[in-house]
Amino acid sequence: AQSVAQPEDQVNVAEGNPLTVKCTYSVSGNPYLFWYVQYPNRGLQFLLKYITGDNLVKGSYGFEAEFNKSQTSFHLKKPSALVSDSALYFCAVRLPNSGGYQKVTFGTGTKLQVIP
Amino acid sequence: DGGITQSPKYLFRKEGQNVTLSCEQNLNHDAMYWYRQDPGQGLRLIYYSQIVNDFQKGDIAEGYSVSREKKESFPLTVTSAQKNPTAFYLCASSRRGSNTEAFFGQGTRLTVV
Repeated sequence: AQSVAQPEDQVNVAEGNPLTVKCTYSVSGNPYLFWYVQYPNRGLQFLLKYITGDNLVKGSYGFEAEFNKSQTSFHLKKPSALVSDSALYFCAVRLPNSGGYQKVTFGTGTKLQVIP
Repeated sequence: DGGITQSPKYLFRKEGQNVTLSCEQNLNHDAMYWYRQDPGQGLRLIYYSQIVNDFQKGDIAEGYSVSREKKESFPLTVTSAQKNPTAFYLCASSRRGSNTEAFFGQGTRLTVV
């Protein structure tokens, strides 16, 4: 069984400071990892993904994430937070296709609050 | 504009009624999904479809039904058998392959009155 943990329900950060939203996963095999963002009463928007190759992945809106296989983590980061970054962030994991459908497992989400 | 459209945005249902949530995409994606979102629980998969005229149950399919008669459309019916239907419902689509990201609609908030 695969699982995703986002250990912090909420992260508060001052505007202009760096932010980190944590994600760890448990899966058998080499996973694909995704980050999505959700604004209130809206659908999720894709931010970035790790498939293979460079462990540091850059995505939309200045976000980046680092894949760490030994720690089974995929933390989301941004060097300088904006108030407009305040939203709900979801980490997701999926195994590669092997002839059939592979389920996506989402974390429970982390609310990011950027304080002016 | 390419995208995925859900309607209505808000829906109220009386106990014992069936209601249908609409989901349409013009992204030419093969795969479509329905998720349910409840506070603090993340997203849970209700049904998915990888191709027209085929769909599979997800983790919480009881009390729900779907159809996939056209590539662009994947409506979800919440039946009276669903005991706790009040939730935020999200439709998504993607290209085939596990390494592809999903595109989500804006969601439908269903409330039982």
